Amino acid sequence: IAGITQAPTSQILAAGRRMTLRCTQDMRHNAMYWYRQDLGLGLRLIHYSNTAGTTGKGEVPDGYSVSRANTDDFPLTLASAVPSQTSVYFCASSEDRGSTGELFFGEGSRLTVL
Amino acid sequence: GQNIDQPTEMTATEGAIVQINCTYQTSGFNGLFWYQQHAGEAPTFLSYNVLDGLEEKGRFSSFLSRSKGYSYLLLKELQMKDSASYLCAVTDSNYQLIWGAGTKLIIKP
Repeated sequence: IAGITQAPTSQILAAGRRMTLRCTQDMRHNAMYWYRQDLGLGLRLIHYSNTAGTTGKGEVPDGYSVSRANTDDFPLTLASAVPSQTSVYFCASSEDRGSTGELFFGEGSRLTVL
Repeated sequence: GQNIDQPTEMTATEGAIVQINCTYQTSGFNGLFWYQQHAGEAPTFLSYNVLDGLEEKGRFSSFLSRSKGYSYLLLKELQMKDSASYLCAVTDSNYQLIWGAGTKLIIKP
């Protein structure tokens, strides 16, 4: 079944540790995104990628980095996790950024930083 | 700044009709989306409006007035499975997607 796969689905992490959230899509979409979702707030964009080989900063990029080596994969790395990064992280994709097409979301990664 | 406003929570009865409002102030406008998100799950696409008027899709309809910066999602013949959060999102002039905090809809028997 086509879609987006995220891993891990849940993780508890000690502060200061490095963590990579994985995201893979098989829809050949050009654009990919990482969002965080916190209670009472809308989805906030962390980083995005318009196409393989390019990335850009979203609304809340500090403390996060991404790479887009190919079309399918878009990992999100927390270099040194802090408690304020406790959140649910969603990876998403669309045919193109700036299009009027819908976003397709992964099932989310629930991250707790202690 | 850019802002999307929608009620935090609404309650409705099974079988009834409910209207979820969304108002927006953004730098330009290139379309408005509604997504449904069940607790613990990913958001899923419901509707897209770019022109004024009503778009109907089964039990769900979405309305847009660009001059008023206003949209609503209308859910008819409510079912228990419609209990979810409903997210309003607007694409601005730079095609950046601005998200509302979501409206949690509680359906009671």
